[in-house]
Amino acid sequence: DAGVIQSPRHEVTEMGQEVTLRCKPISGHNSLFWYRQTMMRGLELLIYFNNNVPIDDSGMPEDRFSAKMPNASFSTLKIQPSEPRDSAVYFCASTDSTGEPRRDTIYFGEGSWLTVV
Amino acid sequence: GEDVEQSLFLSVREGDSSVINCTYTDSSSTYLYWYKQEPGAGLQLLTYIFSNMDMKQDQRLTVLLNKKDKHLSLRIADTQTGDSAIYFCAEVLILLSGTYKYIFGTGTRLKVLA
Repeated sequence: DAGVIQSPRHEVTEMGQEVTLRCKPISGHNSLFWYRQTMMRGLELLIYFNNNVPIDDSGMPEDRFSAKMPNASFSTLKIQPSEPRDSAVYFCASTDSTGEPRRDTIYFGEGSWLTVV
Repeated sequence: GEDVEQSLFLSVREGDSSVINCTYTDSSSTYLYWYKQEPGAGLQLLTYIFSNMDMKQDQRLTVLLNKKDKHLSLRIADTQTGDSAIYFCAEVLILLSGTYKYIFGTGTRLKVLA
């Protein structure tokens, strides 16, 4: 399996522009997570989906952020309008959360490195 | 709350032991994990421990679990410069819906001095 695939790997955009980050989870996984990593706040869970349904979006910072999962193999995280403080690495991760938790655990993509200037 | 707490930074000299500590929240967590993030990369599973264990050793890595205090630690023996990375502690929470989610600490940035 190719693992969790994220795009773009790097993006630089101007303040006020819309940013769309994409994720393809591992085939067969039914849970998908979006995390944000910054130097000051570390790794934060933004939202997660189970069977394409958002379960917990309490980590989404504000209304400028939205996430969708139209099918089991694709998810997007959108920021509109973007601001400099959104600059961070955004990770997508997936896991198979059927049954009991296992040591197999959660798999991360390589991240999308966003810079808003 | 669901916070998993770690200190942000740790600096050690090459050849010394490193100990990274973590406090988690849910005593019912079945597995607890340590992830490693190298510069410019995503997180990779380093090791894990099942909740009915107190200790797990894997080559230079030793994981200690104190369930009473909800404290997890990772010891790296003979720390090398290649161990410089961010180390994340994580627990898994089982929800009423039957699904579960992973909660990560903020990560500890380990710097190994030559």
